[in-house]
Amino acid sequence: DIQMTQSPSTLSASVGDRVTITCRASQSISIWLAWYQQKPGKAPKLLIYRASSLESGVPSRFSGSGSGTEFTLTISSLQPDDFATYYCQHYDSYSLTFGGGTRVEIK
Amino acid sequence: QLQLQEAGPGLVKPSETLSLTCAVSGSSISRDGYYWGWIRQPPGKGLEWIGSIHYTGSTYYNPSLKSRATIFVDTSKDQFSLRLRSVTAADTAMYYCASLVPVAGVNRGYFDHWGQGTLVTVSS
Repeated sequence: DIQMTQSPSTLSASVGDRVTITCRASQSISIWLAWYQQKPGKAPKLLIYRASSLESGVPSRFSGSGSGTEFTLTISSLQPDDFATYYCQHYDSYSLTFGGGTRVEIK
Repeated sequence: QLQLQEAGPGLVKPSETLSLTCAVSGSSISRDGYYWGWIRQPPGKGLEWIGSIHYTGSTYYNPSLKSRATIFVDTSKDQFSLRLRSVTAADTAMYYCASLVPVAGVNRGYFDHWGQGTLVTVSS
């Protein structure tokens, strides 16, 4: 199975900060990566697919990049609504795996 | 707008079988191009894909759960179900159903719509 490793596990930031989260795959997954946002008590919400394609309705301050084994999710200017946990997920094979998550908390 | 809703017992005894159903509305489960998946999340932990099914009945499972999990579909009711046998406390989790868009091949895609989740606790 392909393993997905996110860093950092927790990130403290302030409103207006530029935030970057990294996701690394144990082997090349081309561009087959999605990012999700999850708030406490809620289901995950799709943000990005195909590494850099923004899901409809997602604010443009969210962006994704990368290919192969290293990917990033960037929030250009952190808003109060963005404090949440973020997960990456690969779909390079039928056996899908998620990263361990990155919690973005208020500094 | 596609919606999914999980249903099932919130408490299951150790060694018994966990059974959950996901009702799909706003679209047919036989909708071409979609797969349907189960994902779980233990309290305070990350997400784990359990398995997926296509309306034709083709199934795909997480290798770590394949021996205990069964997913099946009922197209007449627009629903799909999960059974997980021989549960232990480690199976205590929030269970989500979701729709998968297979953009990269069979069961190779991302989850674009999620149910609200249902908490299942394994305890005697």
